[in-house]
Amino acid sequence: NAGVTQTPKFRVLKTGQSMTLLCAQDMNHEYMYWYRQDPGMGLRLIHYSVGEGTTAKGEVPDGYNVSRLKKQNFLLGLESAAPSQTSVYFCASTDPGGSYNEQFFGPGTRLTVL
Amino acid sequence: GEDVEQSLFLSVREGDSSVINCTYTDSSSTYLYWYKQEPGAGLQLLTYIFSNMDMKQDQRLTVLLNKKDKHLSLRIADTQTGDSAIYFCAEGLRSGSARQLTFGSGTQLTVLP
Repeated sequence: NAGVTQTPKFRVLKTGQSMTLLCAQDMNHEYMYWYRQDPGMGLRLIHYSVGEGTTAKGEVPDGYNVSRLKKQNFLLGLESAAPSQTSVYFCASTDPGGSYNEQFFGPGTRLTVL
Repeated sequence: GEDVEQSLFLSVREGDSSVINCTYTDSSSTYLYWYKQEPGAGLQLLTYIFSNMDMKQDQRLTVLLNKKDKHLSLRIADTQTGDSAIYFCAEGLRSGSARQLTFGSGTQLTVLP
């Protein structure tokens, strides 16, 4: 049981390049989330999904797109990377039927945009 | 809008108690959480408290909730060097059908030998 995994772990992009971050979970969770973490700002929600084929915007969605084609995977895309998107990205998942809705986090992807 | 606030840094001596404080703004929060992040890792749930409780104790951890002042605290007894990490307070809100969390900025706990 791997929990939540993220690929890649590190990436350096040039301004204007595109990339996709992959999140996978093997816990059969319905809900999945993408956050970004910046120094002194905690985690901010980018997008989330409450089930296969559904996505919704979070607090800071601009410049990102997401897709949830399979229940176990949640993809985060950057179409044209900007230096302001330099951050650490975390994926999380949860079972909405659980008693206290713990979110399980992946190890993160450190992205640098030059 | 929702806002969760924490102080950024705390240093304690090994063996002392640590108290990390948090204030939140949304009185409709159902659960309040403490997550721990070790260097280079993701967040891990440390403990949580349901909004109708005042206190929860779990081994070395004590969570106190003051709903009137919207204040949450985490006390770690007999703090060890392995407790050095960033601690995030989070409130659980419902947004439509989602179970969203709003996180504080995190408190960096440094345990000195």
